Amino acid sequence: SSELTQDPAVSVALGQTVRITCQGDSLRSYYANWYQQKPGQAPVLVIYNKNNRPSGIPDRFSGSSSGNTASLTITGAQAVDEADYYCNSRDSSANMVFGGGTKLTVL
Amino acid sequence: QITLKESGPTLVKPTQTLTLTCTFSGFSLSTSGVGVGWIRQPPGKALEWLALIYWDDDKRYSPSLKSRLTITKDTSKNQVVLTMTNMDPVDTATYYCAHLLYCSSANCHQYFDYWGQGTLVTVSS
Repeated sequence: SSELTQDPAVSVALGQTVRITCQGDSLRSYYANWYQQKPGQAPVLVIYNKNNRPSGIPDRFSGSSSGNTASLTITGAQAVDEADYYCNSRDSSANMVFGGGTKLTVL
Repeated sequence: QITLKESGPTLVKPTQTLTLTCTFSGFSLSTSGVGVGWIRQPPGKALEWLALIYWDDDKRYSPSLKSRLTITKDTSKNQVVLTMTNMDPVDTATYYCAHLLYCSSANCHQYFDYWGQGTLVTVSS
């Protein structure tokens, strides 16, 4: 089955730039989507189809992809960005898969 | 606007079958390009995709749980139902349903854009 691998935890100083990565074979063929989840809340879509932001998502969030790796970049991280971030994509069987999540700490 | 809400038992016993209902508004599951998925999250752990049903009744299941899952839709009631058999304490989790936008082109692949609030299901005797 397909797998997506994320670093368990990342930290960033307030106002600095942070990149969260996601690796998996499915990303060679399919775009990654990114979700933000704060404690006790449902996930929220922040990036879809590699680098598209839903309405209401700040433009400090951006996405990119190269080979089997997708990245979520937060440029000028804010305290409100502290959360868990999950990547997701489909695979060749049209199944969906999520990464293990990255806990972002804003220092 | 699109909303989804999960409902079902909060407590089930081991070996029982879990039935969860996702009731939604703001879209129709008979519209081309639309789907509804189920995702769960054990306490303190990661999201895990379970199942997906498309507007054309095509269905997909997590390979690791496929033998235990069934997903169905009732378009007239705007509901999607997930059943999971032979529940075990490791299945304790918050279960979410989510709206999926399906697209398959050079610039677009499917994604979950709206999520329900989730419902916590505990498996215990």
